[in-house]
Amino acid sequence: GENVEQHPSTLSVQEGDSAVIKCTYSDSASNYFPWYKQELGKGPQLIIDIRSNVGEKKDQRIAVTLNKTAKHFSLHITETQPEDSAVYFCAASMGSTLTFGKGTMLLVSP
Amino acid sequence: GAVVSQHPSWVICKSGTSVKIECRSLDFQATTMFWYRQFPKQSLMLMATSNEGSKATYEQGVEKDKFLINHASLTLSTLTVTSAHPEDSSFYICSATKGVLGNQPQHFGDGTRLSIL
Repeated sequence: GENVEQHPSTLSVQEGDSAVIKCTYSDSASNYFPWYKQELGKGPQLIIDIRSNVGEKKDQRIAVTLNKTAKHFSLHITETQPEDSAVYFCAASMGSTLTFGKGTMLLVSP
Repeated sequence: GAVVSQHPSWVICKSGTSVKIECRSLDFQATTMFWYRQFPKQSLMLMATSNEGSKATYEQGVEKDKFLINHASLTLSTLTVTSAHPEDSSFYICSATKGVLGNQPQHFGDGTRLSIL
């Protein structure tokens, strides 16, 4: 089955800095890669996703890049704000089932 | 939007009782719903996938007689934890997708924290 590795497990940045979270996947058949933000006590919230026919996607301060050859994808958050602090999960899918990474706790200090 | 509502958000009950959790898609018809379990500081673990009107597909290691799933309509799925014990205490989260094509975004509810005494 699919295996998704996510790094780092914890990331601390100063407000205004950029944050990058990286994921690798094992199954080359995977073709859909969403990113979720989970705040304490809440369910995951979809923040951006990318499909395998696209190399990069941007939505305001958030961007995702995909390298199909290397089987890795990354989340980039620019101009971080304290409210960006949360746990971020990457996931990979080739059908309806998502395989999640283990999560990255992002801490943005004012 | 794609809003998924989960109820209750928190439940405490005695060992041996059964607990039902509801998952509703409020503004779309959910062809597929998913149930996850999440332990503290860990990732989401898929328990089962359900399609409206058919039996749920359970992941390996998940007891189907323990975790009963019903997806009777396109907007409602329920998870019943039968004869719950302390080891069933966890954060249970549902998600839903719309449309029939694969790789549709999953929209999550806010979870149910289940504590069994």
